[in-house]
Amino acid sequence: GQQVMQIPQYQHVQEGEDFTTYCNSSTTLSNIQWYKQRPGGHPVFLIQLVKSGEVKKQKRLTFQFGEAKKNSSLHITATQTTDVGTYFCAGATDSWGKFQFGAGTQVVVTP
Amino acid sequence: SAVISQKPSRDICQRGTSLTIQCQVDSQVTMMFWYRQQPGQSLTLIATANQGSEATYESGFVIDKFPISRPNLTFSTLTVSNMSPEDSSIYLCSVGGRGLGGELFFGEGSRLTVL
Repeated sequence: GQQVMQIPQYQHVQEGEDFTTYCNSSTTLSNIQWYKQRPGGHPVFLIQLVKSGEVKKQKRLTFQFGEAKKNSSLHITATQTTDVGTYFCAGATDSWGKFQFGAGTQVVVTP
Repeated sequence: SAVISQKPSRDICQRGTSLTIQCQVDSQVTMMFWYRQQPGQSLTLIATANQGSEATYESGFVIDKFPISRPNLTFSTLTVSNMSPEDSSIYLCSVGGRGLGGELFFGEGSRLTVL
């Protein structure tokens, strides 16, 4: 079955530094989404990528979808304490909302 | 968008008992999803609930353990049956996908602790 792998599982970042989390799927995806879950909260949607090679930016966050639609990355520049949380990628092989979530990258920011 | 109300928000249960989690959505949706998130872990899809038909369960999850009801387009329940400590987890109701712009909306979750 479809497997979505995400690395690293844990990222300790100094405030102001950049970091990247990576997501890889064993199968070609129709789309990939990214979510952020704050401690004690529920996952909140960040972005959806659909097209091969797509790049989207949200302020300090840059999302990429690989050419083969099997991998994706989230890059955060100039990390702030508000970036604390766990970032999940979620891949879908159809358009009906059935997603396979990656393991998540837990981000801790040191002031 | 969609606003999802889930209850209970948390509960402590005894081994061998069953608990039903309710999920109410503020709009009519075709598909509702139930996820489990064990402490510090990722989200695992339990089943997809469609109104008017049997829920579709993912590998490793069975109807006898996690019966689901979907009586209308805004409501669903998930029952965790004959609970054991391994069922201690957060259970999340979700809607989304096609027809809602693609993104998933989640309820606040129901945190179950089984003693």
